[in-house]
Amino acid sequence: DAGITQSPRHKVTETGTPVTLRCHQTENHRYMYWYRQDPGHGLRLIHYSYGVKDTDKGEVSDGYSVSRSKTEDFLLTLESATSSQTSVYFCAISDPTGQGALSLGYTFGSGTRLTVV
Amino acid sequence: QKEVEQDPGPLSVPEGAIVSLNCTYSNSAFQYFMWYRQYSRKGPELLMYTYSSGNKEDGRFTAQVDKSSKYISLFIRDSQPSDSATYLCAMTLNDYKLSFGAGTTVTVRA
Repeated sequence: DAGITQSPRHKVTETGTPVTLRCHQTENHRYMYWYRQDPGHGLRLIHYSYGVKDTDKGEVSDGYSVSRSKTEDFLLTLESATSSQTSVYFCAISDPTGQGALSLGYTFGSGTRLTVV
Repeated sequence: QKEVEQDPGPLSVPEGAIVSLNCTYSNSAFQYFMWYRQYSRKGPELLMYTYSSGNKEDGRFTAQVDKSSKYISLFIRDSQPSDSATYLCAMTLNDYKLSFGAGTTVTVRA
């Protein structure tokens, strides 16, 4: 996916361990988002950022924290992973201050498949 | 009630058939409407977007918005096996926040 990369692509971790997922963009977009995608639930917003050090909670933020120290990087941390956090995590970026409807759309990364055992 | 409702399917059609997908929504203030396509083990990608009501056509794809009924549709003509994917609708007032449907999984059989 041009301009946005997620790492790692796959991870298996044990219950109770901390985990950090990274999202890196080269588009200089202001907004960055973390979603999780689960069967039957679709995409659910975890946290989002509207600038460096500016973040806010989404609908499923419990157990997750985020940080954005640079425009290009948005980190998602699971403080103490649980089996319910096994999911596919997507980062997305957008620049809604741009011109036209297309600027409102999100560009998604390829996802991180996280398994908590 | 969810803000955006989308039948998850799955939907299976033969090659060449017309695929019809739709979403309903509750917030009448939504202005911009989008369709994303997501292939297996990939991130969603923006397929089409429309503003307010009306139709928009792009090749084999047609997006329709009926704001009076709070209903949007995506039609795929002459469907191909390469169209097999999950299709998600999304909509926004005119700001950073997109509201997504749960996605409909489509399989086009060769």
